[in-house]
Order: sequence, then C-alpha cells, then structure tokens
Amino acid sequence: GAGVSQSPRYKVAKRGQDVALRCDPISGHVSLFWYQQALGQGPEFLTYFQNEAQLDKSGLPSDRFFAERPEGSVSTLKIQRTQQEDSAVYLCASILSNSPNEQFFGPGTRLTVL
Amino acid sequence: DQQVKQNSPSLSVQEGRISILNCDYTNSMFDYFLWYKKYPAEGPTFLISISSIKDKNEDGRFTVFLNKSAKHLSLHIVPSQPGDSAVYFCAASRAAGNQFYFGTGTSLTVIP
Repeated sequence: GAGVSQSPRYKVAKRGQDVALRCDPISGHVSLFWYQQALGQGPEFLTYFQNEAQLDKSGLPSDRFFAERPEGSVSTLKIQRTQQEDSAVYLCASILSNSPNEQFFGPGTRLTVL
Repeated sequence: DQQVKQNSPSLSVQEGRISILNCDYTNSMFDYFLWYKKYPAEGPTFLISISSIKDKNEDGRFTVFLNKSAKHLSLHIVPSQPGDSAVYFCAASRAAGNQFYFGTGTSLTVIP
C-alpha cells in the first residue's frame, strides 16, 4: 500500500504485560513521529526520528516507553509493564523530507490495558 | 499545559452554509500551523497549512486565516458538504518538521 500502516490495529493487554507496536512509514519518508491520543483528546507527541536517529524523545511519558527505528524505515514503539493509563490510540506519522510539515498518519493502534 | 486549544468540541452546520472552526495557541514561537481532518477508526488526514509569514491560505473550499497578534487561527469551509462531517484538529509547530502540538479537536456535523 501507499500509506502509513500500523499493526496491530487493536491490542488488549493485561496490566504488567509488555507490548510492541509497529509502524511502516511511506517508503522514502525520512522523518517518523509517534503520538499518543487519549479518548477525547488530540494527539500528543511522544518521539521523533530522522532516519534511524531519535532526535527528540521528550514526549515519552516514562522510561517504560521505548522507541526504535534501527534501519531508518520501520519503527517499533515498546511499552513495558503496561498500566491502565497507557490505554490510548497510538498514532504513527511520517514526513517526506521536502514537505516538512505535511505529516501522513497511519490508522493507529488502539491499546487497551485491563 | 495545552499550547493549542480548540474550545468548541462540536459544531453543526447546514449543508451549503459556511463552517468556521476556531483554534487558539499560546506559544508565540509557533511558526507553522496545520489543519487535519479525522474520520472514525482512521488516522488524521492533512487538510491545509499556513506559515506565520502569511495571514491567509486558500485551497478550494478550504481557507485558513491566521491572526498572529491574537494567536488565533480559523478554518473556513464553504460551501459545507455532508462528507465534511468529521473531527478537525489544528496543530502548530516551532520549526519545519519539528514537534507538533495538537488541539483537542472539533467534531463537525454537516446536516443535509
């Protein structure tokens, strides 16, 4: 497909479990962003990659959150020891380098922690 | 600390009329502003943007106005169509490709 894809689309985890969320950006897109969107809120910035370099991780809410993009393409957001407050939609977006402000979003992964 | 605010959670407009969605921001360092449209179970889709050097940008039925002194921007949709019914988010950034700050969204319903 031509768009940003994310998997899984839905994830239910028991409190304390680790989860891994995957993002496949549009081919050739240099920058990749992760956002957390709680119910009734707008997306909140988590972290940002330019190629494989994580340039900003200031939005990660705790050290239980970890993101990587080892080859500058696919990215994984990992949440360790999930808690109920981690329940949200996690959105991934990518940007073509010559259109720096037009982010293309994936459909999101809805995480529910029981 | 919400740096981008959309104070109207919902808006209903008759088909064919103008829809005006508003957004306020607090950080004077923001220099790029965007509007996104979101349908249920989908990610936001880019709609239109404006840089701080302009006060208006138009794309078809969509026009964004920026008032820097008031730290306010608005999205006008004319004429509104039922397919425009969605949640609209405004977003702002301090530099190209940098961290984006989103508002909480306004749910627009266009009544046929």
